Amino acid sequence: AQTVTQSQPEMSVQEAETVTLSCTYDTSESDYYLFWYKQPPSRQMILVIRQEAYKQQNATENRFSVNFQKAAKSFSLKISDSQLGDAAMYFCAYRSAYSGAGSYQLTFGKGTKLSVIP
Amino acid sequence: EAGVAQSPRYKIIEKRQSVAFWCNPISGHATLYWYQQILGQGPKLLIQFQNNGVVDDSQLPKDRFSAERLKGVDSTLKIQPAKLEDSAVYLCASSLNLWGRARETQYFGPGTRLLVL
Repeated sequence: AQTVTQSQPEMSVQEAETVTLSCTYDTSESDYYLFWYKQPPSRQMILVIRQEAYKQQNATENRFSVNFQKAAKSFSLKISDSQLGDAAMYFCAYRSAYSGAGSYQLTFGKGTKLSVIP
Repeated sequence: EAGVAQSPRYKIIEKRQSVAFWCNPISGHATLYWYQQILGQGPKLLIQFQNNGVVDDSQLPKDRFSAERLKGVDSTLKIQPAKLEDSAVYLCASSLNLWGRARETQYFGPGTRLLVL
């Protein structure tokens, strides 16, 4: 079974600064997808960024980028120019590209709470 | 585009009582998921529907939890009887399609916070 580990329960960053959230995962599969989801206090989870394991190029979405190290099974999220609205729980998630029964289950880490200091 | 709707937003019950949660996915989304998120943890999949058929319910405690998705649209998750350890946020999510699309985005609702006393 796949596992996802987020070793930083809480992080803080000054507004306009850069912060990196860590995520490691364990899998024996070669093809999969990795996601970062954001969950603000209102609890609605929002997809931040997605990475396909077969792509060597790191995904970027505006101020959000990832550092994907497949051999090390590491998938960190970098937030540049942090804004007050970035304050939230951030979850790293894994999804296999294979499914015999059609179930592409998301496996989540425990999350990192990010605070943004004005 | 309207998002995933859930109700109620909050529910407090006593142990051994019954409770039901409702979810309305994004229009046209064939796949619907129910997750349980216990405080301090990431969401855990309970059940997954493709249209009105169950794709995966391997982590659903079937002795007390049940779910249905009539007509392939709205879904209801029920707990009967509730236990203290069922206190959690129950999240509903939907995606456009499932088959062959592992990269597909799941859109989440705001969740229902359940407290069992």
